[in-house]
Amino acid sequence: EPEVTQTPSHQVTQMGQEVILRCVPISNHLYFYWYRQILGQKVEFLVSFYNNEISEKSEIFDDQFSVERPDGSNFTLKIRSTKLEDSAMYFCASSEQSSWETQYFGPGTRLLVL
Amino acid sequence: AQSVSQHNHHVILSEAASLELGCNYSYGGTVNLFWYVQYPGQHLQLLLKYFSGDPLVKGIKGFEAEFIKSKFSFNLRKPSVQWSDTAEYFCAVYTGRRALTFGSGTRLQVQP
Repeated sequence: EPEVTQTPSHQVTQMGQEVILRCVPISNHLYFYWYRQILGQKVEFLVSFYNNEISEKSEIFDDQFSVERPDGSNFTLKIRSTKLEDSAMYFCASSEQSSWETQYFGPGTRLLVL
Repeated sequence: AQSVSQHNHHVILSEAASLELGCNYSYGGTVNLFWYVQYPGQHLQLLLKYFSGDPLVKGIKGFEAEFIKSKFSFNLRKPSVQWSDTAEYFCAVYTGRRALTFGSGTRLQVQP
């Protein structure tokens, strides 16, 4: 069964550094998402992406964040200058034809900012 | 804005006990409803979903959930839990805006 994959599984970085989290959505899916889960808190929506542009973003997704689909398979989340409070598990998800459909999640990247 | 409440944060059951996890949402319009499960060390997996039709939906591994529109609820049930059901369970709602809204999760611990 096709799966969403994410790399790396763990990332440790220094405050102020840039990080890029990578995702490969399911190949025939058109909608892509990033969520994050700070330890002990809810899974929170960050951004959705369709047709090579952001379709929605939350208040969390400020100017420090950006997303990109650099080629036909990868979907990346960049944090330009990481802060301590960016430490979280970041999940990528994709859905097939519309955002009303089931979203399939990747295994997550655990980001630790020191 | 929509929100999702899961009232049970941590549930401990013995094997063969019955399970019911509560989920309530606040949104007056059309919703799609989901339960996701996260086994230890694994990613979020879809357990079951409700889009329309029969309000009693069946998912994988013997789980089911009932959508009660008048109560804005989508409770998850399983008649007899197994040790392998130990996991965290998340209720989520899609309203057409802001992607999925998740509840805070319920950690289920099944004791053998």
